[in-house]
Amino acid sequence: KQEVTQIPAALSVPEGENLVLNCSFTDSAIYNLQWFRQDPGKGLTSLLLIQSSQREQTSGRLNASLDKSSGRSTLYIAASQPGDSATYLCAVRPEETSGSRLTFGEGTQLTVNP
Amino acid sequence: KAGVTQTPRYLIKTRGQQVTLSCSPISGHRSVSWYQQTPGQGLQFLFEYFSETQRNKGNFPGRFSGRQFSNSRSEMNVSTLELGDSALYLCASKRDRGKIGETQYFGPGTRLLVL
Repeated sequence: KQEVTQIPAALSVPEGENLVLNCSFTDSAIYNLQWFRQDPGKGLTSLLLIQSSQREQTSGRLNASLDKSSGRSTLYIAASQPGDSATYLCAVRPEETSGSRLTFGEGTQLTVNP
Repeated sequence: KAGVTQTPRYLIKTRGQQVTLSCSPISGHRSVSWYQQTPGQGLQFLFEYFSETQRNKGNFPGRFSGRQFSNSRSEMNVSTLELGDSALYLCASKRDRGKIGETQYFGPGTRLLVL
């Protein structure tokens, strides 16, 4: 059974700092991995999706990497801003036939202080 | 383009009652998935519907059921509510099931409180 773990559970940083969020998964046979953002009381917003054949994806100040063999992904946020404060969730799609079924980690709650 | 909409946004029920939640996907999206989010268990997959057929089911009891209509709108039903069913229920849609690189778009959720 696939299990996804995110470390740390919570993180508080001053504005402008570069930071890394970690995600690990137990079964390396994944189809893709996604990073989401969730603001309090709201739904999820997709940030980056990495296919199993890819090593990284970038969008603006965000960069996500994937090391399938070691079962790890990292989300790098450059020059953090107070607006980045949210919970960041990592999710894996186990296999191509799993359709829309995602397995989520517990999330990292990020606070960026002005 | 309108996003995924869920109704109602908030709901209070008592134990033993049943509840129906509704999800309207983004126009043109045919796949709808449901997730339950709780502080203790995190986000857990409930089921997925595509072309009015359930394609995937998570590890939830039979009290949780769903359906999809011909216009891709979906409903989920929980019968004989228990306190532990209190959660944020999220719906997500995407255009197709197998397209490489396609992401899911999530709605704002329905927060259910069971008393």
